[in-house]
Amino acid sequence: SAVISQKPSRDICQRGTSLTIQCQVDSQVTMMFWYRQQPGQSLTLIATANQGSEATYESGFVIDKFPISRPNLTFSTLTVSNMSPEDSSIYLCSVDRQGGRAFFGQGTRLTVV
Amino acid sequence: KQEVTQIPAALSVPEGENLVLNCSFTDSAIYNLQWFRQDPGKGLTSLLLIQSSQREQTSGRLNASLDKSSGRSTLYIAASQPGDSATYLCAVRREVSGGSNYKLTFGKGTLLTVNP
Repeated sequence: SAVISQKPSRDICQRGTSLTIQCQVDSQVTMMFWYRQQPGQSLTLIATANQGSEATYESGFVIDKFPISRPNLTFSTLTVSNMSPEDSSIYLCSVDRQGGRAFFGQGTRLTVV
Repeated sequence: KQEVTQIPAALSVPEGENLVLNCSFTDSAIYNLQWFRQDPGKGLTSLLLIQSSQREQTSGRLNASLDKSSGRSTLYIAASQPGDSATYLCAVRREVSGGSNYKLTFGKGTLLTVNP
């Protein structure tokens, strides 16, 4: 298994501001994944964070809007920049373990007003 | 492009009932399939993982089956309890070109309510 600590668990933010979400894993991993889950929708992969290199973003997501840091093998941050109400979602970080089993953090419930 | 569909979108059952949740996917070239549980506003809890070579996996009252050729998986919950109320998500993983990065594709989930 994997223990993933994600914070904050929830936040209410003013439009135009930025929020940084932190994700800490209990052991070293090569890749960490960031997902967005919009209300009533399924999970969509935002980007893959690799230690020592730039994150790889999925179609429709850009670094200016969702900058990611990966300073070491157990930690990553996702920033949601210049927020608008459309950014209101649950943001989740994830890692893979042996056999391709995915584990997720507790999620960050973001509301932009 | 892989698409994952879950039926029904919502299900309400009385306590004690056995139930089946369905998941279908369009591309049968998968590496594995995973079932998750999500409580409102929370993260995902892994329930069962089925590798592409396997037919089913069991954990307690849960049993998941996989028919890769037909692109289908089912999650069977026996003797349902109010604590089982949550959204159940299935996700399939396939290999992205290069073999070093596997991506998950999720369904929209089934919202299960078990009434006492």
